[in-house]
Amino acid sequence: KQEVTQIPAALSVPEGENLVLNCSFTDSAIYNLQWFRQDPGKGLTSLLLIQSSQREQTSGRLNASLDKSSGRSTLYIAASQPGDSATYLCAVLNTGNQFYFGTGTSLTVIP
Amino acid sequence: DADVTQTPRNRITKTGKRIMLECSQTKGHDRMYWYRQDPGLGLRLIYYSFDVKDINKGEISDGYSVSRQAQAKFSLSLESAIPNQTALYFCATFPARSGYNEQFFGPGTRLTVL
Repeated sequence: KQEVTQIPAALSVPEGENLVLNCSFTDSAIYNLQWFRQDPGKGLTSLLLIQSSQREQTSGRLNASLDKSSGRSTLYIAASQPGDSATYLCAVLNTGNQFYFGTGTSLTVIP
Repeated sequence: DADVTQTPRNRITKTGKRIMLECSQTKGHDRMYWYRQDPGLGLRLIYYSFDVKDINKGEISDGYSVSRQAQAKFSLSLESAIPNQTALYFCATFPARSGYNEQFFGPGTRLTVL
């Protein structure tokens, strides 16, 4: 069974800092990996999707990388802003057609 | 209009009651999913459906049932609700596995079972 882990569980940084969120998974036979943002009590907003054949994807201040062989992905956020405060979730799609989620990293950006 | 909608958005009910949560989508995706989210446990898959005639159990299907009434509609039922089913429930859609395909989520239903 796929296990997805996100470290750290919580992170607090001053505004303007660059930061990295980590996601690891135990079964490298994945189809894709997706990063989401979730605001308190709200739904999930897709940030970036990386196909298994890709190494990274970028969108604005966000960059996600994927090392499938080592079972790791990182989400890099540049020049953090208070509006980036949220919980960030990663999810992997197994070749068995099921998605598995990490428990998330709660990010607070302090003005 | 939202691509994936869920009704109701909030529901408080009592132990033993039957509850139905509904999900509708306008994205034209074949695949639909129901998850529950609990603090510290992340999202866990309850049921998923690849089309109207293809429904599969997820990780935590006990106590739940589903119905795929049409490509656009996927309902989750709790036949006899119990307090440990108190959670945030999400519906999601996903297109066929080709190309750049993302999951899209509804806004969630907050269910409280007293």
